[in-house]
Amino acid sequence: EAQVTQNPRYLITVTGKKLTVTCSQNMNHEYMSWYRQDPGLGLRQIYYSMNVEVTDKGDVPEGYKVSRKEKRNFPLILESPSPNQTSLYFCASRPFPQGEAFFGQGTRLTVV
Amino acid sequence: KNQVEQSPQSLIILEGKNCTLQCNYTVSPFSNLRWYKQDTGRGPVSLTIMTFSENTKSNGRYTATLDADTKQSSLHITASQLSDSASYICVVSAQAAGNKLTFGGGTRVLVKP
Repeated sequence: EAQVTQNPRYLITVTGKKLTVTCSQNMNHEYMSWYRQDPGLGLRQIYYSMNVEVTDKGDVPEGYKVSRKEKRNFPLILESPSPNQTSLYFCASRPFPQGEAFFGQGTRLTVV
Repeated sequence: KNQVEQSPQSLIILEGKNCTLQCNYTVSPFSNLRWYKQDTGRGPVSLTIMTFSENTKSNGRYTATLDADTKQSSLHITASQLSDSASYICVVSAQAAGNKLTFGGGTRVLVKP
């Protein structure tokens, strides 16, 4: 089944403790991105990647890092999480930039 | 600045009734417009994608329209069902590096029996 898989689905952590949210897609898509969704603000892009080893900042990249060492994986790294990064995070992939976007099931992160 | 505005923010309709959601955008240069359905706590799922030359596109009981001149789109839901209760998000893609997606804030639809 074609899908985008994120892990974990839910995470509660403390300020400053590094964490990684994984994202994997099995559709051989070149284009992957990370979004955060906050009430009243809609989805905002954090980072995107157009192919292996090619990443770029989105609208709200501060406090986040990504890597794209393999085509299928695009992890989101929070080196020192802060409470303002409490949010619902989505990973998405597309076969090409104009193509349909497939979203993961989301990761709800709470930083206390 | 690229923006996508949706209205209404929320609406309640009775099962079996029709409704129309609106989307206005200022994204330029335009590439395509998408409508997504997002159930609570889940990832958005694509309903339709329309390019500049397409005026209307249907997906079952969902029909999207696009007026590229006025930069407006609508999503019509026919004979609503309880399972249509969700947020509907209008997303516009720009013809720029990365074909960045600009998301509207969504319309939350509640279908009541």
